[in-house]
Amino acid sequence: FILTQPHSVSESPGKTVTISCTRSGGSIASNYVHWYQQRPGSAPTTVIYEDNQRPSGVPDRFSGSIDSSSNSASLTISGLKTEDEADYYCHSSDPSNQVFGGGTKLSVL
Amino acid sequence: QVQLVQSGAEVKKPGSSVRVSCKASGGTFSSYAFSWVRQAPGQGLEWMGRIIPIVNLVNYAQNFQDRITISADESTTTAYMELISLKSEDTAIYYCTTPPAHSTSFDYWGQGTPVTVSS
Repeated sequence: FILTQPHSVSESPGKTVTISCTRSGGSIASNYVHWYQQRPGSAPTTVIYEDNQRPSGVPDRFSGSIDSSSNSASLTISGLKTEDEADYYCHSSDPSNQVFGGGTKLSVL
Repeated sequence: QVQLVQSGAEVKKPGSSVRVSCKASGGTFSSYAFSWVRQAPGQGLEWMGRIIPIVNLVNYAQNFQDRITISADESTTTAYMELISLKSEDTAIYYCTTPPAHSTSFDYWGQGTPVTVSS
């Protein structure tokens, strides 16, 4: 299966942005979706796991959801800060494969 | 807290092979499910394959299954990824990663190993 993300999004500080992740081949609800933030020169870090769970230390400005009607997952970041500028990847799996979305570059300007 | 420490940067000739190691600490070896993920310059994350040592299960991504071998050594709590027949397009940072026990999210990552393939 394939996960499709927008290549880039941009928004102003203090605003809210939503990044989509659409699954082609199979149901988005059949396997958990996770979201990672990656800053230049660093390994990815988890910002949302199991569709909508937030790891300790991740601000509650980050939230995740899935929508079966559009077969997609979404990462929403509210109250944008300049430090949120990074690449974001969705990730899901089936029994024998792990799949990443192509990544979305978030610009906060 | 699980820590993954990878081997150092490599420079290889086209047609050669590379072996990257990933030493795990802070958890129990039986709970690890090591995946290897690569990232070419300016590109996204690409899953290559994984090993679940406790059940000796290995899965490879279709793009790599003819060229990759993933293994693990319980005595040294180390996972390995070997890629053969290297091409310039294999130039990338190679990461090992593992989820926490009973989860599928890649919460723990190594620092990454840059591999450069150049004649």
